[in-house]
Amino acid sequence: DGGITQSPKYLFRKEGQNVTLSCEQNLNHDAMYWYRQDPGQGLRLIYYSQIVNDFQKGDIAEGYSVSREKKESFPLTVTSAQKNPTAFYLCASSIVAGTSTDTQYFGPGTRLTVL
Amino acid sequence: GENVEQHPSTLSVQEGDSAVIKCTYSDSASNYFPWYKQELGKRPQLIIDIRSNVGEKKDQRIAVTLNKTAKHFSLHITETQPEDSAVYFCAALLSNSGYALNFGKGTSLLVTP
Repeated sequence: DGGITQSPKYLFRKEGQNVTLSCEQNLNHDAMYWYRQDPGQGLRLIYYSQIVNDFQKGDIAEGYSVSREKKESFPLTVTSAQKNPTAFYLCASSIVAGTSTDTQYFGPGTRLTVL
Repeated sequence: GENVEQHPSTLSVQEGDSAVIKCTYSDSASNYFPWYKQELGKRPQLIIDIRSNVGEKKDQRIAVTLNKTAKHFSLHITETQPEDSAVYFCAALLSNSGYALNFGKGTSLLVTP
């Protein structure tokens, strides 16, 4: 778990602003993921990426964007189009090996609050 | 995405008793089922996982069972301790989403001394 870092830990956003959440991993993992956590909702998939320069939408991608220019980095931008962005955001990574998957390890999370 | 149902949403047990949390899934192609423990404000931590080629896996006080025919799997914690108090999430691999996980909504476990 220590190989995945997220910053900042807390983030406050005014309505109408875009903000970018950082996620970095030094585990040499191919796959990276963004999840959103709300109370009582569990974790929901926003975006995922299996290789550099490629990413796919998850269940709740509207109002979010990502990039994967480097293997180690998978930043998430919360745009002003996201109507209810206040939540705990978790980044994860895993090795992708053939048709199986390895354990997903999570970063420490970023708590985003819209003022 | 596929649906993962988790029950109960809250569970209170006395120290030393056993706790059981159950999950069902809908995607018959799912072949990987991890369980995560999350303490308040912290990241989810993997505590045990099971793949579809086995029916049971045990690690000290924690065990997971899988019934692929019925599409359900369960977490068993024996001899519970107060430090087991946390939110537990089950998950199932999404076969069509790049190995992303679909999570249940969580079970808040409280172990009272």
